[in-house]
Amino acid sequence: AQRVTQPEKLLSVFKGAPVELKCNYSYSGSPELFWYVQYSRQRLQLLLRHISRESIKGFTADLNKGETSFHLKKPFAQEEDSAMYYCALLETSGSRLTFGEGTQLTVNP
Amino acid sequence: DTGVSQDPRHKITKRGQNVTFRCDPISEHNRLYWYRQTLGQGPEFLTYFQNEAQLEKSRLLSDRFSAERPKGSFSTLEIQRTEQGDSAMYLCASSLGDRSTQPQHFGDGTRLSIL
Repeated sequence: AQRVTQPEKLLSVFKGAPVELKCNYSYSGSPELFWYVQYSRQRLQLLLRHISRESIKGFTADLNKGETSFHLKKPFAQEEDSAMYYCALLETSGSRLTFGEGTQLTVNP
Repeated sequence: DTGVSQDPRHKITKRGQNVTFRCDPISEHNRLYWYRQTLGQGPEFLTYFQNEAQLEKSRLLSDRFSAERPKGSFSTLEIQRTEQGDSAMYLCASSLGDRSTQPQHFGDGTRLSIL
């Protein structure tokens, strides 16, 4: 069965510091990976997807099939990046998303 | 377009009562999903529709749960004989499903509290 693991429930960094949110997955097929973000009092929203290979709000994520990882990175964290971040895997059939437990990122001034 | 809309935002009910939630997807989206999220966890998949057809159901969806999407537009999720363990946030999402995979867009959710 597919599984997504986010080992850090809480992550705290200072403004301007690099940040990396870890995500590991297990899936027998060819996965599609996403990062979703939920800011305070807002709905869950898509941040980025691996097939787009783009940078959103300064964040990037590279799919490493050898290490089965999809870590989210930003070189210089901003206070407005404080939010809950969820890594998610989409099955080949394109139906269900499997989410990790989430990482609460706090960027301190 | 206001995105995915869910109603009500909050529902408080006594154990044993039936509850029904509604989801209105983004208008051109043919796929609709229901997820459940409990405190400290990520969302968990419950079921999904393509147009009016319910194509997949999770084992989490016990026989007390039923979902419908009668005309391929809005959807309802009903929970009968609610239990304490049903307390959670119920999220709806929609996407445009065709040969390519389009991302799922989420609503604000309905928070259910069982007294």
